[in-house]
Amino acid sequence: DAEITQSPRHKITETGRQVTLACHQTWNHNNMFWYRQDLGHGLRLIHYSYGVQDTNKGEVSDGYSVSRSNTEDLPLTLESAASSQTSVYFCASSGTANTEAFFGQGTRLTVV
Amino acid sequence: QQQVKQSPQSLIVQKGGISIINCAYENTAFDYFPWYQQFPGKGPALLIAIRPDVSEKKEGRFTISFNKSAKQFSLHIMDSQPGDSATYFCAASRESGGSYIPTFGRGTSLIVHP
Repeated sequence: DAEITQSPRHKITETGRQVTLACHQTWNHNNMFWYRQDLGHGLRLIHYSYGVQDTNKGEVSDGYSVSRSNTEDLPLTLESAASSQTSVYFCASSGTANTEAFFGQGTRLTVV
Repeated sequence: QQQVKQSPQSLIVQKGGISIINCAYENTAFDYFPWYQQFPGKGPALLIAIRPDVSEKKEGRFTISFNKSAKQFSLHIMDSQPGDSATYFCAASRESGGSYIPTFGRGTSLIVHP
């Protein structure tokens, strides 16, 4: 079955370190997204991509970057982790003209 | 600026009761309004969705009511069950480049007591 997987599921890192969260989907979807989920804020869009070599900033993109070298993967990089980036991160994907987004299981990141 | 406002933040309902969650939006360009359901430790999953050309959509015990003029929509869960206990997110999106990117509300934590 097609799926979207995130790794790692849990991560603890130190302030100032670079961290990369992986997202891999086998739906062959063109669109991929990264959201962060924080209590009281819901899901906020970090970055999104419409296809290979395409990346766009979302609502809360400062301190984050993504790259899209193939259809299946959209890794999220925190250039210099900050305590404010402690959160649960969700990757999602959708097909072109498809309105439904499919989410991964999430990565809980703690920055100490 | 919050584009999609959701209330209440939390909701406690007795088994068999009706759960109602409300959302409002500002951008009239939005043309697709989904609701997502999230269980603890899981990612959100699409529950039900509506287009603005209809005022109501029902799927089993779940109903979306949509008021285009008021720019509001709501989720009604009839005969609420303990298994419905989850976080619910409303969202709004519009077509861009042939794709839809959901903008989410802040979520409602629903607890259904047995």
